[in-house]
Amino acid sequence: DAGVTQSPTHLIKTRGQHVTLRCSPISGHKSVSWYQQVLGQGPQFIFQYYEKEERGRGNFPDRFSARQFPNYSSELNVNALLLGDSALYLCASSSTSVSTDTQYFGPGTRLTVL
Amino acid sequence: GNSVTQMEGPVTLSEEAFLTINCTYTATGYPSLFWYVQYPGEGLQLLLKATKADDKGSNKGFEATYRKETTSFHLEKGSVQVSDSAVYFCALNSGGYQKVTFGTGTKLQVIP
Repeated sequence: DAGVTQSPTHLIKTRGQHVTLRCSPISGHKSVSWYQQVLGQGPQFIFQYYEKEERGRGNFPDRFSARQFPNYSSELNVNALLLGDSALYLCASSSTSVSTDTQYFGPGTRLTVL
Repeated sequence: GNSVTQMEGPVTLSEEAFLTINCTYTATGYPSLFWYVQYPGEGLQLLLKATKADDKGSNKGFEATYRKETTSFHLEKGSVQVSDSAVYFCALNSGGYQKVTFGTGTKLQVIP
């Protein structure tokens, strides 16, 4: 079975631009979570979506938004990019929204903001 | 709020040495605890987990015991291999949803 897939793999943007990152969960998984991993740090939680509804939001500004589609894939959008948004963006999927359920991570999208 | 503190790396060990990576946490309620591993060039993978006090998670020779009294979840392995070289993240989840709080990671390098 295919794992979690993310696109694109790498992305270079300039300050002030907008970016959309995409995630396809493992088949049958209905929960998708997004994390930001700055170089040398642990991932930080941004959003969780389950059955197309937002279930949780981390401490990120309103420039960050996300949505989940009927096929459970998801998009993360970041507006008005700042240099500090440069990071690896990880998507994780799980079959339920329960906190103890295992999350499976994708390879990430490396975003560089110049 | 929730937080995870793990020992700073890098940790360099010879093959077959004993490994301990310390992890302590602060959380509300009764968190679930996790160890994730990130191999070079690969994504995060769940290594093991424990969901209640005194539980022991284990996988691939790695073990960690959920110690509520000391708020710790130390990772151990009796004999490391070169293939264990990776970054290890301690993490917790205490909410009703899947907001996982990660530590900063500990890089392990095992030399032959």
